[in-house]
Amino acid sequence: QVQLQESGPGLVKPSQTLSLTCTVSGDSISRAGHWNWIRQPAGKGLEWIGRISSSGSTNYNPSLKSRVTIAKDTSRNQFSLELTSVSAADTAVYYCARDPPNLVWLFDYWGQGTLVTVSS
Amino acid sequence: QSALTQPPSASGSPGQSVTISCTGTSSDVGGYDYVSWYQQHPGKAPKLMIFEVTKRPSGVPDRFSGSKSGNTASLTVSGLQAEDEGDYYCSSYAGSNNLVFGGGTKLTVL
Repeated sequence: QVQLQESGPGLVKPSQTLSLTCTVSGDSISRAGHWNWIRQPAGKGLEWIGRISSSGSTNYNPSLKSRVTIAKDTSRNQFSLELTSVSAADTAVYYCARDPPNLVWLFDYWGQGTLVTVSS
Repeated sequence: QSALTQPPSASGSPGQSVTISCTGTSSDVGGYDYVSWYQQHPGKAPKLMIFEVTKRPSGVPDRFSGSKSGNTASLTVSGLQAEDEGDYYCSSYAGSNNLVFGGGTKLTVL
Protein backbone atom coordinates (compact mmCIF):
# COMPACT_ATOMS: atom_id res chain seq x y z
CA GLN A 1 0.00 0.00 0.00
CA VAL A 2 1.40 3.34 -1.06
CA GLN A 3 1.54 5.93 1.70
CA LEU A 4 2.65 9.55 1.65
CA GLN A 5 3.33 11.70 4.70
CA GLU A 6 3.97 15.44 4.75
CA SER A 7 6.19 17.02 7.38
CA GLY A 8 7.54 20.46 8.13
CA PRO A 9 6.96 23.62 10.16
CA GLY A 10 3.35 24.56 10.75
CA LEU A 11 4.16 28.26 11.12
CA VAL A 12 6.22 30.41 8.78
CA LYS A 13 6.85 34.15 9.01
CA PRO A 14 5.92 36.44 6.12
CA SER A 15 8.66 36.90 3.50
CA GLN A 16 10.41 33.72 4.64
CA THR A 17 10.62 30.34 2.90
CA LEU A 18 8.13 27.52 3.41
CA SER A 19 9.80 24.11 3.34
CA LEU A 20 7.96 20.78 3.39
CA THR A 21 8.98 17.16 2.89
CA CYS A 22 6.92 14.23 1.69
CA THR A 23 8.05 10.76 2.74
CA VAL A 24 6.87 7.94 0.50
CA SER A 25 6.47 4.32 1.52
CA GLY A 26 5.20 1.39 -0.51
CA ASP A 27 6.61 2.80 -3.75
CA SER A 28 9.88 4.19 -5.02
CA ILE A 29 10.09 7.77 -6.21
CA SER A 30 12.74 6.55 -8.65
CA ARG A 31 10.15 4.41 -10.44
CA ALA A 32 8.11 5.87 -13.29
CA GLY A 33 5.51 8.41 -12.25
CA HIS A 34 5.35 11.92 -10.86
CA TRP A 35 5.26 13.31 -7.35
CA ASN A 36 3.14 16.35 -6.75
CA TRP A 37 2.39 19.15 -4.32
CA ILE A 38 -1.16 20.51 -4.06
CA ARG A 39 -2.55 23.04 -1.60
CA GLN A 40 -5.93 24.09 -0.26
CA PRO A 41 -6.64 27.28 1.69
CA ALA A 42 -9.22 26.85 4.41
CA GLY A 43 -12.71 26.64 2.96
CA LYS A 44 -11.42 26.98 -0.59
CA GLY A 45 -10.55 24.83 -3.56
CA LEU A 46 -7.49 22.88 -4.57
CA GLU A 47 -4.48 24.39 -6.33
CA TRP A 48 -1.81 22.33 -8.09
CA ILE A 49 1.64 23.63 -7.18
CA GLY A 50 3.93 21.42 -9.19
CA ARG A 51 5.52 18.01 -9.63
CA ILE A 52 8.79 16.15 -10.03
CA SER A 53 9.28 13.07 -12.16
CA SER A 54 11.15 9.92 -11.31
CA SER A 55 13.98 11.21 -13.50
CA GLY A 56 14.04 14.56 -11.70
CA SER A 57 12.40 16.84 -14.23
CA THR A 58 10.02 19.41 -12.76
CA ASN A 59 6.86 21.25 -13.82
CA TYR A 60 5.31 24.15 -11.93
CA ASN A 61 2.05 26.08 -11.85
CA PRO A 62 2.82 29.24 -13.87
CA SER A 63 1.29 31.42 -11.16
CA LEU A 64 3.77 30.12 -8.57
CA LYS A 65 6.73 29.20 -10.76
CA SER A 66 8.95 32.10 -9.73
CA ARG A 67 8.74 31.09 -6.06
CA VAL A 68 8.63 27.27 -6.14
CA THR A 69 11.27 24.58 -6.12
CA ILE A 70 10.49 20.86 -5.93
CA ALA A 71 13.36 18.45 -5.39
CA LYS A 72 13.83 14.80 -4.48
CA ASP A 73 16.09 12.73 -2.27
CA THR A 74 16.12 9.25 -3.75
CA SER A 75 18.17 7.77 -0.91
CA ARG A 76 15.46 8.74 1.59
CA ASN A 77 12.55 8.19 -0.82
CA GLN A 78 11.42 11.74 -0.17
CA PHE A 79 10.57 14.78 -2.20
CA SER A 80 10.35 18.34 -1.02
CA LEU A 81 8.72 21.71 -1.61
CA GLU A 82 10.24 25.14 -1.12
CA LEU A 83 8.10 28.24 -1.54
CA THR A 84 9.89 31.54 -1.12
CA SER A 85 8.70 34.99 -0.09
CA VAL A 86 5.52 33.69 1.51
CA SER A 87 2.58 35.83 2.52
CA ALA A 88 -0.73 35.22 4.27
CA ALA A 89 -2.14 34.11 0.93
CA ASP A 90 0.09 31.03 1.14
CA THR A 91 -1.63 29.82 4.30
CA ALA A 92 -3.16 26.47 3.38
CA VAL A 93 -3.22 22.73 3.90
CA TYR A 94 -0.43 21.35 1.74
CA TYR A 95 -0.80 17.85 0.27
CA CYS A 96 1.67 15.64 -1.50
CA ALA A 97 0.25 13.19 -4.02
CA ARG A 98 1.31 10.56 -6.53
CA ASP A 99 0.71 10.71 -10.26
CA PRO A 100 0.95 6.97 -11.04
CA PRO A 101 3.19 5.27 -13.56
CA ASN A 102 1.71 4.87 -17.04
CA LEU A 103 -1.07 7.37 -16.31
CA VAL A 104 -0.84 11.12 -16.24
CA TRP A 105 -2.43 14.11 -14.61
CA LEU A 106 -4.31 12.29 -11.91
CA PHE A 107 -3.59 11.73 -8.24
CA ASP A 108 -4.28 8.27 -6.88
CA TYR A 109 -2.53 8.45 -3.52
CA TRP A 110 -2.46 11.49 -1.25
CA GLY A 111 -0.86 12.38 2.03
CA GLN A 112 -3.09 13.42 4.90
CA GLY A 113 -2.11 17.05 4.45
CA THR A 114 -0.28 19.48 6.69
CA LEU A 115 -1.48 22.94 7.66
CA VAL A 116 0.99 25.74 7.13
CA THR A 117 0.13 29.14 8.54
CA VAL A 118 1.98 32.26 7.44
CA SER A 119 1.96 34.76 10.27
CA SER A 120 4.36 36.89 12.25
CA GLN B 1 -4.84 30.26 -15.98
CA SER B 2 -8.34 30.33 -14.46
CA ALA B 3 -9.92 27.66 -12.31
CA LEU B 4 -12.52 25.47 -13.95
CA THR B 5 -16.11 26.51 -13.19
CA GLN B 6 -18.25 24.28 -11.00
CA PRO B 7 -21.59 25.02 -9.34
CA PRO B 8 -21.05 25.82 -5.64
CA SER B 9 -23.66 23.33 -4.55
CA ALA B 10 -25.75 20.37 -5.66
CA SER B 11 -28.23 18.18 -3.85
CA GLY B 12 -30.45 15.17 -4.19
CA SER B 13 -32.45 12.71 -2.14
CA PRO B 14 -31.26 9.19 -1.43
CA GLY B 15 -31.69 7.00 -4.49
CA GLN B 16 -31.83 9.92 -6.89
CA SER B 17 -29.21 10.94 -9.44
CA VAL B 18 -27.28 14.19 -9.45
CA THR B 19 -24.93 15.62 -12.05
CA ILE B 20 -22.14 18.10 -11.34
CA SER B 21 -20.69 20.13 -14.20
CA CYS B 22 -17.16 21.37 -14.75
CA THR B 23 -16.73 24.02 -17.43
CA GLY B 24 -13.43 25.04 -18.90
CA THR B 25 -12.14 26.06 -22.30
CA SER B 26 -10.74 24.48 -25.42
CA SER B 27 -7.31 24.88 -23.80
CA ASP B 28 -8.09 22.52 -20.95
CA VAL B 29 -11.29 20.45 -20.64
CA GLY B 30 -12.15 20.68 -24.32
CA GLY B 31 -8.65 20.02 -25.53
CA TYR B 32 -7.64 16.92 -23.61
CA ASP B 33 -9.19 13.75 -22.19
CA TYR B 34 -7.36 14.21 -18.90
CA VAL B 35 -10.30 15.20 -16.71
CA SER B 36 -10.43 13.75 -13.21
CA TRP B 37 -12.91 14.01 -10.36
CA TYR B 38 -12.14 13.90 -6.64
CA GLN B 39 -14.36 13.46 -3.59
CA GLN B 40 -13.35 15.14 -0.35
CA HIS B 41 -14.87 14.66 3.07
CA PRO B 42 -14.29 17.26 5.81
CA GLY B 43 -10.78 17.15 7.18
CA LYS B 44 -9.71 14.43 4.77
CA ALA B 45 -7.55 14.27 1.68
CA PRO B 46 -9.30 14.13 -1.70
CA LYS B 47 -10.07 10.70 -3.18
CA LEU B 48 -9.85 9.94 -6.89
CA MET B 49 -13.25 8.96 -8.27
CA ILE B 50 -12.92 9.33 -12.05
CA PHE B 51 -9.91 9.76 -14.35
CA GLU B 52 -9.46 10.27 -18.08
CA VAL B 53 -13.04 11.59 -18.27
CA THR B 54 -14.86 8.26 -17.86
CA LYS B 55 -12.62 5.72 -16.08
CA ARG B 56 -13.20 4.53 -12.54
CA PRO B 57 -10.35 3.42 -10.29
CA SER B 58 -10.67 0.03 -8.68
CA GLY B 59 -12.96 0.22 -5.66
CA VAL B 60 -15.05 3.19 -6.77
CA PRO B 61 -18.71 2.20 -7.10
CA ASP B 62 -20.19 2.14 -10.59
CA ARG B 63 -22.77 4.63 -9.33
CA PHE B 64 -20.14 7.22 -10.21
CA SER B 65 -19.73 8.02 -13.89
CA GLY B 66 -18.05 10.73 -15.94
CA SER B 67 -18.61 12.27 -19.34
CA LYS B 68 -17.55 15.23 -21.44
CA SER B 69 -19.13 17.34 -24.14
CA GLY B 70 -17.12 20.15 -25.65
CA ASN B 71 -15.60 22.28 -22.90
CA THR B 72 -17.79 20.84 -20.14
CA ALA B 73 -17.17 17.67 -18.18
CA SER B 74 -19.74 16.12 -15.89
CA LEU B 75 -19.82 13.76 -12.94
CA THR B 76 -23.03 11.83 -12.35
CA VAL B 77 -23.78 10.09 -9.09
CA SER B 78 -26.65 7.63 -9.41
CA GLY B 79 -28.53 6.01 -6.56
CA LEU B 80 -27.37 8.68 -4.11
CA GLN B 81 -26.29 7.43 -0.71
CA ALA B 82 -25.63 9.34 2.49
CA GLU B 83 -21.90 8.66 2.26
CA ASP B 84 -21.75 10.44 -1.12
CA GLU B 85 -22.15 13.76 0.67
CA GLY B 86 -19.01 15.87 0.45
CA ASP B 87 -17.08 18.23 -1.77
CA TYR B 88 -16.29 17.29 -5.36
CA TYR B 89 -13.51 18.77 -7.45
CA CYS B 90 -12.74 18.36 -11.12
CA SER B 91 -9.30 18.79 -12.61
CA SER B 92 -8.00 18.99 -16.15
CA TYR B 93 -4.68 19.04 -17.91
CA ALA B 94 -4.27 22.56 -19.30
CA GLY B 95 -1.37 22.06 -21.68
CA SER B 96 2.27 23.06 -21.25
CA ASN B 97 2.69 20.66 -18.34
CA ASN B 98 0.12 22.46 -16.22
CA LEU B 99 -3.00 21.32 -14.40
CA VAL B 100 -6.02 23.28 -13.21
CA PHE B 101 -8.71 22.40 -10.67
CA GLY B 102 -12.32 23.44 -10.44
CA GLY B 103 -13.58 25.54 -7.56
CA GLY B 104 -15.46 22.63 -6.01
CA THR B 105 -19.09 21.61 -5.53
CA LYS B 106 -20.64 20.77 -2.19
CA LEU B 107 -22.96 17.79 -2.65
CA THR B 108 -25.72 17.45 -0.08
CA VAL B 109 -27.80 14.31 0.29
CA LEU B 110 -31.18 15.50 1.53
